[in-house]
Amino acid sequence: LAKTTQPISMDSYEGQEVNITCSHNNIATNDYITWYQQFPSQGPRFIIQGYKTKVTNEVASLFIPADRKSSTLSLPRVSLSDTAVYYCLAQVGGYQKVTFGTGTKLQVIP
Amino acid sequence: DAGVIQSPRHEVTEMGQEVTLRCKPISGHNSLFWYRQTMMRGLELLIYFNNNVPIDDSGMPEDRFSAKMPNASFSTLKIQPSEPRDSAVYFCASSLTGTGGYEQYFGPGTRLTVT
Repeated sequence: LAKTTQPISMDSYEGQEVNITCSHNNIATNDYITWYQQFPSQGPRFIIQGYKTKVTNEVASLFIPADRKSSTLSLPRVSLSDTAVYYCLAQVGGYQKVTFGTGTKLQVIP
Repeated sequence: DAGVIQSPRHEVTEMGQEVTLRCKPISGHNSLFWYRQTMMRGLELLIYFNNNVPIDDSGMPEDRFSAKMPNASFSTLKIQPSEPRDSAVYFCASSLTGTGGYEQYFGPGTRLTVT
């Protein structure tokens, strides 16, 4: 399973766009990049997944450059309720097992 | 959809006692995962099942831990005997296999305290 590296913590003001970068230098051809969000006292929740280029849904955007050695989760105009831990995973296509790292603790400040 | 259901939500027990955690996956999902989360070790995968069959139990810490999935709608994680270091939040998750990456749906967790 490819190892991912992301910042331990980030602070942002309400209304700002937040970009969290994840490094995955040894990503394999079959790996998908998946992001989860976890609020205190809750289980992780799937946010977005991509293989290359850009993916957008109602919650976030995911940018993956051509070399796929990194990816960026973009949260537009964050609010206080976006305060959570965000996990970046390299998930092998067709394979269930994933490894959650330490994640990035995002604190949104009023 | 009710989502993944776990019970109990909180469990406090004394060292040496048997603890059984229960999980009901989302209907139609064919994979089930048990995770443990602590401040020190983060979120760890203990075991996962596919079509009720254990596929990977390499994360199960020791023989005191066992997991079963007798049918597609129910799984248990048992700790016998329990120890204070087993105190953690235990999450169950389920997913539906297919092509590409799989989205896992997590339950609310069971907070276990062993005194």
